[in-house]
Amino acid sequence: QVHLMQSGAEVKRPGASVRVSCTASGYMFTTYSINWVRQAPGQGPEWMGWINPNNGNTDYAQTFQGRVTMTRDTSLNAAYLELSGLTSEDTAVYYCARASSPDVFDIWGQGTAVTVAS
Amino acid sequence: QSALTQPPSASGSPGQSVTISCTGTSRDVGDYNFVSWYQKHPGKAPKVLIFEVNKRPSGVPDRFSGSKSGNTASLTVSGLQAEDEAEYYCSSYVGSNTPYVLFGGGTKLTVL
Repeated sequence: QVHLMQSGAEVKRPGASVRVSCTASGYMFTTYSINWVRQAPGQGPEWMGWINPNNGNTDYAQTFQGRVTMTRDTSLNAAYLELSGLTSEDTAVYYCARASSPDVFDIWGQGTAVTVAS
Repeated sequence: QSALTQPPSASGSPGQSVTISCTGTSRDVGDYNFVSWYQKHPGKAPKVLIFEVNKRPSGVPDRFSGSKSGNTASLTVSGLQAEDEAEYYCSSYVGSNTPYVLFGGGTKLTVL
């Protein structure tokens, strides 16, 4: 069964960094890109970027350039999202999603709630 | 890179049809046939209903259909059922030198 399992909820102070993990199972991890999408309360989803697990290449949304880093560990079938310089506007549910083709996010993780509060 | 525009809400009675629009620009929706639609129930992850404008993944009922005209894509839900009540989001893949993905703000579909 194809599955993406994410790490648990996080509470962070403003200015801190957060790292979310996404572990794949049930398919060859290096075959499909992993995308990161966040959804703030009451808002639509926002694409953050993707990583090619095969070679580690990344593309980041302009909005997050400079404070987002996406990495992967192929030995663990895991992808990671790190977001720095957190503000209250980063409070959201963060999802990883597999892209079976450029516009098809066919498998999603369960989401990781990140709360930024002082 | 602005978000795609969707109406905030839509509604219909069981058995009726409802169409949800998704408006972008000539740089995204209008230029690429990479428009997808997702259904999201509260507390659950999104589920892809339509990809490449009008294709359905296996297992998605044919009550769901997609189309595009110019800069506007549409999702039609025919034969509305109670379980169709959910949030619906469109997305557009933009294959520029630096590819990116845009999402719509979402449409809450209410089955009356």
